[in-house]
Amino acid sequence: SAVISQKPSRDICQRGTSLTIQCQVDSQVTMMFWYRQQPGQSLTLIATANQGSEATYESGFVIDKFPISRPNLTFSTLTVSNMSPEDSSIYLCSVFLRGLNTEAFFGQGTRLTVV
Amino acid sequence: TQLLEQSPQFLSIQEGENLTVYCNSSSVFSSLQWYRQEPGEGPVLLVTVVTGGEVKKLKRLTFQFGDARKDSSLHITAAQPGDTGLYLCAVMEYGNKLVFGAGTILRVKS
Repeated sequence: SAVISQKPSRDICQRGTSLTIQCQVDSQVTMMFWYRQQPGQSLTLIATANQGSEATYESGFVIDKFPISRPNLTFSTLTVSNMSPEDSSIYLCSVFLRGLNTEAFFGQGTRLTVV
Repeated sequence: TQLLEQSPQFLSIQEGENLTVYCNSSSVFSSLQWYRQEPGEGPVLLVTVVTGGEVKKLKRLTFQFGDARKDSSLHITAAQPGDTGLYLCAVMEYGNKLVFGAGTILRVKS
């Protein structure tokens, strides 16, 4: 299994500011994933972060708004830039472990409220 | 169009009742997963189904993969308040991307 520490767990931010979310994994992984989730709803993939290369963003998400760092195989950050109330959401990081079947592990999420 | 259609969106039942959650698609999958998410936590894997027609049991939870590997169901027998949460089906897309269904919010009242 994988243990993922994500912080902060929640924050309330002023519009126009930026927040950086950190994700630390207890084992080395090639890919880390960042998701966004409205409370009680499904998860939407923002981007895939590979160590040593630029993150790959999904349709509707851009690097200027959600810059990602991946300095090593156990750590990643997601920044939500120039925030607006529409960015209020839960942000989760995730990794895969491949065994008999691929299993995804998630951090506990960061609940962001933009006021 | 959602790759995975999940129903119902919301279920509120009494303790002891049975329920079934469905996950449907027009696509064929090599495998399908079910996750449960509790408030303030990330999703946790419940099961992976791989073979068409496969049935897996996890205590009071029964998971079935359709014969054509396009759909799946989750049945809970004698639901308990601890079963409360968001249930998500998911499949792996090309490029190692995990795609989730819309989710089913289950509330079990005591």
